[in-house]
Amino acid sequence: KNEVEQSPQNLTAQEGEFITINCSYSVGISALHWLQQHPGGGIVSLFMLSSGKKKHGRLIATINIQEKHSSLHITASHPRDSAVYICAVLYGGSQGNLIFGKGTKLSVKP
Amino acid sequence: DTEVTQTPKHLVMGMTNKKSLKCEQHMGHRAMYWYKQKAKKPPELMFVYSYEKLSINESVPSRFSPECPNSSLLNLHLHALQPEDSALYLCASSRMLAGEYNEQFFGPGTRLTVL
Repeated sequence: KNEVEQSPQNLTAQEGEFITINCSYSVGISALHWLQQHPGGGIVSLFMLSSGKKKHGRLIATINIQEKHSSLHITASHPRDSAVYICAVLYGGSQGNLIFGKGTKLSVKP
Repeated sequence: DTEVTQTPKHLVMGMTNKKSLKCEQHMGHRAMYWYKQKAKKPPELMFVYSYEKLSINESVPSRFSPECPNSSLLNLHLHALQPEDSALYLCASSRMLAGEYNEQFFGPGTRLTVL
């Protein structure tokens, strides 16, 4: 069974703090998504990666295929970063299905 | 145009009503998806269309009927729903390039309430 585990489930931070959210998965995958969902809102794709590291603004995502682990980092966190962050793994080919983690609820206090 | 749009944003319907959800993208994506998301849960895949043909149906009850009239449009027809079908319905799309990892782009969702 392909499972995706995220930690922590909930995270509260002060504005400006460096934040790390972790994702582990159990079997081989094609790629991994990091997604952001604001309360009551749709989902925004932050990154899709299959190796190494990607950076976009204050967000950094890394993946270690051998260890089946990925991390999402937010530098200089801001209250507008408050959202649920979801890790989703892609297995299969070009039309692979996403297996979602349960999400990490981040709250950044001013 | 790099977004997926969904209409309506909110929908309230009775158990005897027939309604439809609409999803549209103009990115040239040939795969489109319907997901259902209950509160505080991750999305659950319902259907996948590839090149306008239904390729995956995750054992969804027949009261949900998907339709893909063209490569840009995806509908979800609703009939005789139950209150437990109340959820956020998300549409997504992706390219269909073999040998590549095709990122999914999500719409804002339709918040459905069944009375």
